Amino acid sequence: SQTIHQWPATLVQPVGSPLSLECTVEGTSNPNLYWYRQAAGRGLQLLFYSVGIGQISSEVPQNLSASRPQDRQFILSSKKLLLSDSGFYLCAWSKRLGDTEAFFGQGTRLTVV
Amino acid sequence: GQQVMQIPQYQHVQEGEDFTTYCNSSTTLSNIQWYKQRPGGHPVFLIQLVKSGEVKKQKRLTFQFGEAKKNSSLHITATQTTDVGTYFCAGPGQAGTALIFGKGTTLSVSS
Repeated sequence: SQTIHQWPATLVQPVGSPLSLECTVEGTSNPNLYWYRQAAGRGLQLLFYSVGIGQISSEVPQNLSASRPQDRQFILSSKKLLLSDSGFYLCAWSKRLGDTEAFFGQGTRLTVV
Repeated sequence: GQQVMQIPQYQHVQEGEDFTTYCNSSTTLSNIQWYKQRPGGHPVFLIQLVKSGEVKKQKRLTFQFGEAKKNSSLHITATQTTDVGTYFCAGPGQAGTALIFGKGTTLSVSS
């Protein structure tokens, strides 16, 4: 069966520090991968998605970036965190883009102080 | 760009009362999906609707997809405390890209 791993679960980082969140998927090949952000009490904002290695589509201009160095690995990064980057970051995967169910990781709760 | 809107944002009910959340898209959707997120948890897939006018049921939950495939609803009959959480609808973005989620409806239930 397929599983998705996301870490860390919680993270407290100072303003201006770098960020690296990692997500890996097991049990499937060539998944579509996504990063969403959920601000406190708000909806899910699509940040990035990837249909293959090295292919990244950005939905929202910001100081975050994403990379997909391997088929089942998706990384979210920032060189310098802002207070507004605080939130709940969710990685997800799906078999097809937009018309099959998405499976979410447990999420990373990021607090920038 | 494409938008998926959901109302209401919050809903509080007494246990046993019914609950409905509505979802509207600015564009026609090829499909619509519904997810549930328990407090402190991650979204979990509930169902996908594909056909115009489609109605699907899961126990006390009834899902509908509008005839024009631009709106959808989720109705819960006789809510229970286990129904607490945020319900999201989601549809594919423009040109069939990644899922775009509505802002969700947060349901609280008091016994």
